[in-house]
Order: sequence, then structure tokens, then C-alpha cells
Amino acid sequence: EAQVTQNPRYLITVTGKKLTVTCSQNMNHEYMSWYRQDPGLGLRQIYYSMNVEVTDKGDVPEGYKVSRKEKRNFPLILESPSPNQTSLYFCASSFPGQGIYEQYFGPGTRLTVT
Amino acid sequence: GQNIDQPTEMTATEGAIVQINCTYQTSGFNGLFWYQQHAGEAPTFLSYNVLDGLEEKGRFSSFLSRSKGYSYLLLKELQMKDSASYLCAVSDNQGGKLIFGQGTELSVKP
Repeated sequence: EAQVTQNPRYLITVTGKKLTVTCSQNMNHEYMSWYRQDPGLGLRQIYYSMNVEVTDKGDVPEGYKVSRKEKRNFPLILESPSPNQTSLYFCASSFPGQGIYEQYFGPGTRLTVT
Repeated sequence: GQNIDQPTEMTATEGAIVQINCTYQTSGFNGLFWYQQHAGEAPTFLSYNVLDGLEEKGRFSSFLSRSKGYSYLLLKELQMKDSASYLCAVSDNQGGKLIFGQGTELSVKP
């Protein structure tokens, strides 16, 4: 089944404790992206990757890191999480043929930082 | 700056037609997307417009006017399951940057 998977789905952690949220897709998509979704602010792009070893900042990259060493995986790293990073996170992937970016979203990761 | 505006909430009746508007101001334009998101779930793709005009897909249609920075999503023959948030998003360059509006929460009443 074609899908985007994220782990963990739910995470409660404490300020400053490094964490990684994994994202994997099995559709051979070149494009992957991370978003956070907050009430009243909508979906905001954190980072995106056009292909392996190619990443770029979205609108809200501060406090986050990403890497794209393999085509299928795009982990999101929070080196020192803070309470303002409490949010719902979505990973998405797309095959950017001809400029069309129909994105397939993962199920989301709900992160709480205390 | 980059800005995408949508109404926050809308209510419509089952079986009716509803139009959800989206206006945008971005530094570039490489396509406009509509996504549907049910509460607690991931967004799912509905439509894509890059040229002016109307794109129809079953009960859903999307319109784009690039000169006016304006799009709308038209939902016909509304069903209760159409109650969801509808997200407008603009790709502002040839790359992968995507800007979303805050979403329009649509409630369909019997």
C-alpha cells in the first residue's frame, strides 16, 4: 500500500531533551516536506527536500533540523525542544513531475513539550 | 509579504452548493492547491490549478484567476461527510515551498 508513515504518533517530552520524528514513504517520491499545524495558524512549512541531500527552509525552520540521506526517509530533529514546539506535525511527499505537487500526507505526530 | 486569506468558518445545508473563497499575495506563483482535512486526520488532495479557469472533478470544482490573486472551491450536492476544514495553498516558486491559508471550517447541516 502506498503510504507515508510517521513515528511516533504521539510524544510527550521535556524541554531540552533531543528527539527525532521519523518519516518514511514507499512511493519513490523525490519531494518531501515537514509541516506543523497550530490552531489559528494553519499548516506552516518547516523544511522541504527536493531530493537526496537537497534540503531547504520553509517558513518556520528555527529550532528544527532535517536530513535526507535516503530517498524514502526524511527525519525531523529537534535538538533542544521547547514548549513553543508543542504542535501537530505532518510529513508529506510528492513526485514533482511538471511542477505539480499533489502531496500525500502522513498521519501526523502530536508532540507535547513540557 | 506572503499572505493567503480564507474565511474561517462557513455553514451550509445538505444538498446545497457552497463556494469557499481564497485570495493570495505571494512573491511568485507556481500553482494553487485545495486540500480537505477532517478533524484529527491528515489533509488529502482535492485539486490543483495553475492556469486561469475552472477545473471540475465530480462534485468538486476549483477556479483560479491569477490576475486577481483569487481562487474558489465549489462543492455541489453537499453531503454530511463534507463537513471538514478546506485548506488553500500556493506554491510560490519552481521549488518546493508551499504556503497554506488558515483553512475554512465547513459545517454541513441536515
